[in-house]
Amino acid sequence: AQKVTQAQTEISVVEKEDVTLDCVYETRDTTYYLFWYKQPPSGELVFLIRRNSFDEQNEISGRYSWNFQKSTSSFNFTITASQVVDSAVYFCALSERSSGGGADGLTFGKGTHLIIQP
Amino acid sequence: DTEVTQTPKHLVMGMTNKKSLKCEQHMGHRAMYWYKQKAKKPPELMFVYSYEKLSINESVPSRFSPECPNSSLLNLHLHALQPEDSALYLCASSPSGQPSPGNTIYFGEGSWLTVV
Repeated sequence: AQKVTQAQTEISVVEKEDVTLDCVYETRDTTYYLFWYKQPPSGELVFLIRRNSFDEQNEISGRYSWNFQKSTSSFNFTITASQVVDSAVYFCALSERSSGGGADGLTFGKGTHLIIQP
Repeated sequence: DTEVTQTPKHLVMGMTNKKSLKCEQHMGHRAMYWYKQKAKKPPELMFVYSYEKLSINESVPSRFSPECPNSSLLNLHLHALQPEDSALYLCASSPSGQPSPGNTIYFGEGSWLTVV
């Protein structure tokens, strides 16, 4: 079973629309961290956010916002007023204490390819 | 700009060649990683170095040989690769060498490898 599920393989929207990328995770740990990374066509994985399991506060950074809900095991990512430069593959990832966490690497979802059309 | 730098950005090599991918970070991070990423797939962990010692090898074939000369450098030596090894190879680092789920991993731009 997938530990991190990104059900949306590809999303295409027109510039200036709002878009939400879904992430559902599965873990038995009480201590875990969730991450979002952006991967533009150049290849680099850009770190966007880290959220620990004890902090359910939503976070906003400019046009980006994240909604963490433990009750539904979801950590969704919303881009407001999307721009062409937001076009990329976005990965949600999980790091758990039980799997060694951190220095053992991350468990990635399959990614969502976001296309922002001008 | 990323603080994890990788060279070369692109590499084409024959199946009998020996080449190396290089990675450098100057953030004082104590863990460094190699990931492999095939097209339209998420990154897959290959190796982890913690405090300059190999701590994880995810059953990677011996034609891939990692090396960590010091805390800032990480190499991946390539020999007798197969065409299916063509992929994006990502180097990464994280602040702590200790297993910790909160250890944020920072990635480089990757090296695009094509084996012909």
